Amino acid sequence: QQQVKQSPQSLIVQKGGISIINCAYENTAFDYFPWYQQFPGKGPALLIAIRPDVSEKKEGRFTISFNKSAKQFSLHIMDSQPGDSATYFCAAMGGGGADGLTFGKGTHLIIQP
Amino acid sequence: ETGVTQTPRHLVMGMTNKKSLKCEQHLGHNAMYWYKQSAKKPLELMFVYSLEERVENNSVPSRFSPECPNSSHLFLHLHTLQPEDSALYLCASSQDLASAEAYEQYFGPGTRLTVT
Repeated sequence: QQQVKQSPQSLIVQKGGISIINCAYENTAFDYFPWYQQFPGKGPALLIAIRPDVSEKKEGRFTISFNKSAKQFSLHIMDSQPGDSATYFCAAMGGGGADGLTFGKGTHLIIQP
Repeated sequence: ETGVTQTPRHLVMGMTNKKSLKCEQHLGHNAMYWYKQSAKKPLELMFVYSLEERVENNSVPSRFSPECPNSSHLFLHLHTLQPEDSALYLCASSQDLASAEAYEQYFGPGTRLTVT
């Protein structure tokens, strides 16, 4: 049973455009929702994270939107740049770190110059 | 060294070999994790350690044996692996398991394992 569903699997966006990646979760015990960015040959790097007590969090060009009632959250990358081309993973965790992070399958993002 | 380091970065082993993966974190964290990243599948949690005590074993086959001698080092001992065990094995660390800081996990670059 996949507890975090991520879409799309791949995404191509023109330079300067907005990249949007969506995730949906099932476990209502989740209380922490991070996004990770992974480049080839590297481990995932924490990009931005949100708790369910807020509906939006912004850090630079990256914004998480969170809809608790719909059990959905999304990553928006504004003014997308070729250097943003990477694989993005949403994840969720609840009740501390003992259960680790539950990850989505990832989105391969390509920003075309 | 900074962050989380893993060695070796690449490993090829036969099904009858025994090898070990090493992870070291330089962040002063108290919790460490092993994840498996396979093609077409989400990252899967394998083991969780807090202050050298294992707190989670996520139904991982016994051919994978973790060891955490101290809060900075984590090993994954491998023996009698199968070709389907070929994957990227990622180590991560966090401050601890109980505080708000616990939620931020930092990953190493991974070990690319190929089982022949």
